[in-house]
Amino acid sequence: GDSVTQMEGPVTLSEEAFLTINCTYTATGYPSLFWYVQYPGEGLQLLLKATKADDKGSNKGFEATYRKETTSFHLEKGSVQVSDSAVYFCALRGAGSARQLTFGSGTQLTVLP
Amino acid sequence: DTAVSQTPKYLVTQMGNDKSIKCEQNLGHDTMYWYKQDSKKFLKIMFSYNNKELIINETVPNRFSPKSPDKAHLNLHINSLELGDSAVYFCASSHRTGSLFFGSGTQLSVL
Repeated sequence: GDSVTQMEGPVTLSEEAFLTINCTYTATGYPSLFWYVQYPGEGLQLLLKATKADDKGSNKGFEATYRKETTSFHLEKGSVQVSDSAVYFCALRGAGSARQLTFGSGTQLTVLP
Repeated sequence: DTAVSQTPKYLVTQMGNDKSIKCEQNLGHDTMYWYKQDSKKFLKIMFSYNNKELIINETVPNRFSPKSPDKAHLNLHINSLELGDSAVYFCASSHRTGSLFFGSGTQLSVL
């Protein structure tokens, strides 16, 4: 079945540091890929998405590129802020009949001033 | 204005009780979901309804019963609550193949 593997956290960075959170996936066909963010005490919010190979999703300074050859969708940001502290989830929507969203295990990011 | 709203936000109850969580979306989406998030933040889909029809029913104890009276509502009823049911439950909605919009969650604590 479909699965998503994220780098384990927690990740702690200083403000203005470069961020990479690795995400790889296993799926049949051509899934759509997503990054969601969960701030403390809140639900998940869509951060960015990509629906086909070589697409780059971007939002709020975050970027991720859909790499079919490496089955990856790594999240990057050039300069993190304290307000980016949250849990980040990689997810895929597969090509099965139910087209459900499968989530990775989440990566806790803490940015220190 | 809230797109996906669920109530209550917190639910504290004793083992063996029956409880319900309500969810409503005003986005005009045709698909709604229930997810369970454990203490390690792991998210697992429980159910999905499309136009009031059940389309995903993962391996969930039959003590959990979803009910969708219309496209905008998906409620979750839980019978005979157990300690292991303690978690955060999220409702979400989407168009059939679109991005999910989540509610703010219901923290369930079973004592």
